[in-house]
Amino acid sequence: DTAVSQTPKYLVTQMGNDKSIKCEQNLGHDTMYWYKQDSKKFLKIMFSYNNKELIINETVPNRFSPKSPDKAHLNLHINSLELGDSAVYFCASSQVFTPQGTTNEKLFFGSGTQLSVL
Amino acid sequence: GENVEQHPSTLSVQEGDSAVIKCTYSDSASNYFPWYKQELGKGPQLIIDIRSNVGEKKDQRIAVTLNKTAKHFSLHITETQPEDSAVYFCAASPFSGGYNKLIFGAGTRLAVHP
Repeated sequence: DTAVSQTPKYLVTQMGNDKSIKCEQNLGHDTMYWYKQDSKKFLKIMFSYNNKELIINETVPNRFSPKSPDKAHLNLHINSLELGDSAVYFCASSQVFTPQGTTNEKLFFGSGTQLSVL
Repeated sequence: GENVEQHPSTLSVQEGDSAVIKCTYSDSASNYFPWYKQELGKGPQLIIDIRSNVGEKKDQRIAVTLNKTAKHFSLHITETQPEDSAVYFCAASPFSGGYNKLIFGAGTRLAVHP
């Protein structure tokens, strides 16, 4: 079973359209993330949710709106797509707080969604 | 904020040789340093990590060293194999309050030639 799954894998769309990317994790983790990887492979965090609560919100245009219906899901909706939004978007999860009271920073990434805006 | 620099951007080695990738970070508050491997068409996968209270960690052919004073850390892969070919990312995390905010380096594309 895939631990962190995101759909779709490829997304080709026109400028100005609105699109969504879905992410689900079956690891029981309490924290989920969206990362953006540009054409030069540079990875940058966009958002993070802990138990459905937004905890990290980087300088991202407000056209990007994450939504977490429950702690196993974190979706990314993008309005009015622009050429510069073309990138690979990765969802990730981690179990930040462990039952032992320790913290765990290990991220588990999905396989990515390649977004191409034409 | 944290800034992570990674070198080299590309590395080509012969099978069986060693490969070394180096990273520097700027924020002395960073205390967690993972390395991720990304194969073509896949997401990054954690291969090894080290915390600031440890100077070296080894896992089979992979080792990581950390010099907190100089703010740099390195990944060492020995006896490289073709399946080691991938893009490798270092990262640093000024972990606090339970919330991980990994700052990644720009990546190193490693090619291992048979």
